[in-house]
Amino acid sequence: AQRVTQPEKLLSVFKGAPVELKCNYSYSGSPELFWYVQYSRQRLQLLLRHISRESIKGFTADLNKGETSFHLKKPFAQEEDSAMYYCALNPLGTYKYIFGTGTRLKVLA
Amino acid sequence: DVKVTQSSRYLVKRTGEKVFLECVQDMDHENMFWYRQDPGLGLRLIYFSYDVKMKEKGDIPEGYSVSREKKERFSLILESASTNQTSMYLCASTRGADTQYFGPGTRLTVL
Repeated sequence: AQRVTQPEKLLSVFKGAPVELKCNYSYSGSPELFWYVQYSRQRLQLLLRHISRESIKGFTADLNKGETSFHLKKPFAQEEDSAMYYCALNPLGTYKYIFGTGTRLKVLA
Repeated sequence: DVKVTQSSRYLVKRTGEKVFLECVQDMDHENMFWYRQDPGLGLRLIYFSYDVKMKEKGDIPEGYSVSREKKERFSLILESASTNQTSMYLCASTRGADTQYFGPGTRLTVL
């Protein structure tokens, strides 16, 4: 079955510390993977997608097909990074996006 | 800039009432989606539509129906609201299998 797993419900780090939000997926084909972010009182929005290979707001995510992972990383967390983060999979040829359960990131001063 | 709007930010209804949630997008996207967002459960797809008058069930369609009479508008209908449908409802739209653009959400409380 196609599935996205985010094992951490809550991740707390201190400002300036490295951050890694974990995402593992279950899908037999070539996946299209995304990270979405929801800041307090804002709508859910795209943070980055693996095919663009961009760094957005200092975040990067590398697709590891061997480990079926798409972890989100940032070397130095900022307080404004505090938000809810969702990993999502779009199986090729469908429009049925599959979201993980989300990880709330809290960056402490 | 894509704009997805939802008819209400907050809604309070009574058990058994018929509830309409409306979503409008202004970017001529073919695909539109309705999700429930619940703590610890993430986003769960209720229904999606890939064209006018076309719809497909998502993962949790029970108790819901949808309507898409015009390309820009996608409505979610709760035929007889129940307390377990209290949730945040998110609408989204995409062009093809591209980035999803979300509305601000409707927090529905069923008493």
